[in-house]
Amino acid sequence: SAVISQKPSRDICQRGTSLTIQCQVDSQVTMMFWYRQQPGQSLTLIATANQGSEATYESGFVIDKFPISRPNLTFSTLTVSNMSPEDSSIYLCSVESYRDNEQFFGPGTRLTVL
Amino acid sequence: QKEVEQNSGPLSVPEGAIASLNCTYSDRGSQSFFWYRQYSGKSPELIMFIYSNGDKEDGRFTAQLNKASQYVSLLIRDSQPSDSATYLCAVYSGGSYIPTFGRGTSLIVHP
Repeated sequence: SAVISQKPSRDICQRGTSLTIQCQVDSQVTMMFWYRQQPGQSLTLIATANQGSEATYESGFVIDKFPISRPNLTFSTLTVSNMSPEDSSIYLCSVESYRDNEQFFGPGTRLTVL
Repeated sequence: QKEVEQNSGPLSVPEGAIASLNCTYSDRGSQSFFWYRQYSGKSPELIMFIYSNGDKEDGRFTAQLNKASQYVSLLIRDSQPSDSATYLCAVYSGGSYIPTFGRGTSLIVHP
């Protein structure tokens, strides 16, 4: 299994500002993902963070709004830019096991935008 | 559009009963199926996965897969209040490394 940490665990931000969320894994992994989970909703994949290349974004998510960095195989950041109250959500980092498709999730970052 | 459907619930069962959680999926090419449990305010954690038609048992949990009917279920025997959580179904289509998650079913086990 993988141990994943995220920082910050929660934040309250003002409209129009940006927040960068960090994800650290205790082992090298190929696949890292960023999800959003709004209250009462399931997980929505934002993008796949690729090491050494640009992230791959899902439909409805764009790089200008959610820039992602992946400088090495154990670390990634997600920035939520020019925030609005609609961005209030839990943001989760996850990695995928080499052995099977099991995903391990970080503890999440609870973001509130006022 | 690949879809994974779950009844949002809540499903309420008495302690000691069998809880049955269901999931249907739209993509006939789906090959692997996962059940995650998510406690309120926590991240999802894997309970079990199944690849082949039939049943797979792990302790009090049994996953059942019927690819012809595009249906996967999770049975929890001897339900405990600590099983109260949201259960997410995740489905991988053939060749995809990204799962599609259902919205989850909220389970409440009452004493």
